Amino acid sequence: GESVGLHLPTLSVQEGDNSIINCAYSNSASDYFIWYKQESGKGPQFIIDIRSNMDKRQGQRVTVLLNKTVKHLSLQIAATQPGDSAVYFCAELYSGGGADGLTFGKGTHLIIQP
Amino acid sequence: KAGVTQTPRYLIKTRGQQVTLSCSPISGHRSVSWYQQTPGQGLQFLFEYFSETQRNKGNFPGRFSGRQFSNSRSEMNVSTLELGDSALYLCASSGQSVAGYTFGSGTRLTVV
Repeated sequence: GESVGLHLPTLSVQEGDNSIINCAYSNSASDYFIWYKQESGKGPQFIIDIRSNMDKRQGQRVTVLLNKTVKHLSLQIAATQPGDSAVYFCAELYSGGGADGLTFGKGTHLIIQP
Repeated sequence: KAGVTQTPRYLIKTRGQQVTLSCSPISGHRSVSWYQQTPGQGLQFLFEYFSETQRNKGNFPGRFSGRQFSNSRSEMNVSTLELGDSALYLCASSGQSVAGYTFGSGTRLTVV
């Protein structure tokens, strides 16, 4: 079946640098995308979302970019802090397809170096 | 307001047993979805309930079932447990659709 994938299982960045986490999705019909952050022992926490009629959305220190041409999604975190250490998941949804729940990528473990 | 509450947090069961997990959604949320998270398969959708009706179902065997009560609380049941059922089971609630998902902290099930 179609799935959402992530390019890197682990990403290590220096504290204060910007982080970019990438995601490739395969279902061109997906119209809603979400980034989640999961810390150890906790459930996924919503970070930011974007609909397919947009190509960029900004939040507090985070930006999501959507490139529908190449079916690519990215999460940019500005001025990375120790508290950003977590596993990041992208998820997709085709809202008109019976909504078989969200399809999640495997996750990228973001490690912040002091 | 209170978040999504899942009980118990940890559970150890023996192969062949059955287990029931509970999820209390955020007050006012009528949609409850369940996900299984394992290191190998990641997060996989189990099913979604809305107003006591199963609205969607993922690709899991019939040993996995669920229900939702009139107060929107939901339970999921796994019968005839297998070692491969060991996972973190996550519940998420939302008002109308997945767009407003809030996840609980999960129930860690270990099958021995």
